[in-house]
Amino acid sequence: NAGVTQTPKFQVLKTGQSMTLQCAQDMNHEYMSWYRQDPGMGLRLIHYSVGAGITDQGEVPNGYNVSRSTTEDFPLRLLSAAPSQTSVYFCASSYSGAGGHNEQFFGPGTRLTVL
Amino acid sequence: SQQGEEDPQALSIQEGENATMNCSYKTSINNLQWYRQNSGRGLVHLILIRSNEREKHSGRLRVTLDTSKKSSSLLITASRAADTASYFCATVLFGNEKLTFGTGTRLTIIP
Repeated sequence: NAGVTQTPKFQVLKTGQSMTLQCAQDMNHEYMSWYRQDPGMGLRLIHYSVGAGITDQGEVPNGYNVSRSTTEDFPLRLLSAAPSQTSVYFCASSYSGAGGHNEQFFGPGTRLTVL
Repeated sequence: SQQGEEDPQALSIQEGENATMNCSYKTSINNLQWYRQNSGRGLVHLILIRSNEREKHSGRLRVTLDTSKKSSSLLITASRAADTASYFCATVLFGNEKLTFGTGTRLTIIP
């Protein structure tokens, strides 16, 4: 199993550009989520999905869109990049949500810089 | 928002010593999880402890949970250089699927 994969590893954008961060998992996990990690702030939840076709907002959803058309993929779209979105982005998956007493499996991260 | 707060923010110890990190939270939880993050990498799950449990062990790791004090501790015994990493606690509320992370403890093991 590849586990949770994320592409790209690094990305530099200019303010106003759009892009999609890719996340895929091959563990048949129902629950997937996106976090951003900023220095000194831990991880903050952006969006999450409890299954294909179902998404919901986390703590910091503004400026980001998600969709879940398949169990395997959960892309994160930045509609119009802003310098405040400079961060490291992590995708995670689990058999079900954390309330189901399940550990989260994390991808290696995407380091995004917005100029 | 509900969040665990780790203490200390940074900890340096000699190889072979024990390392203890603490996590405090604000409201009643369903479960609490500890994760490790090596520099530049994703997070790795260490231990999950449920609200009705008081202690769990995994190898050299011991986690305790005191729901009356709303706190948890992670003990790493006989530390090794490879334990150098950031450690995060994350809490889950009842009826909630989401994990809320603290800001982490940066642990450095000095060879």
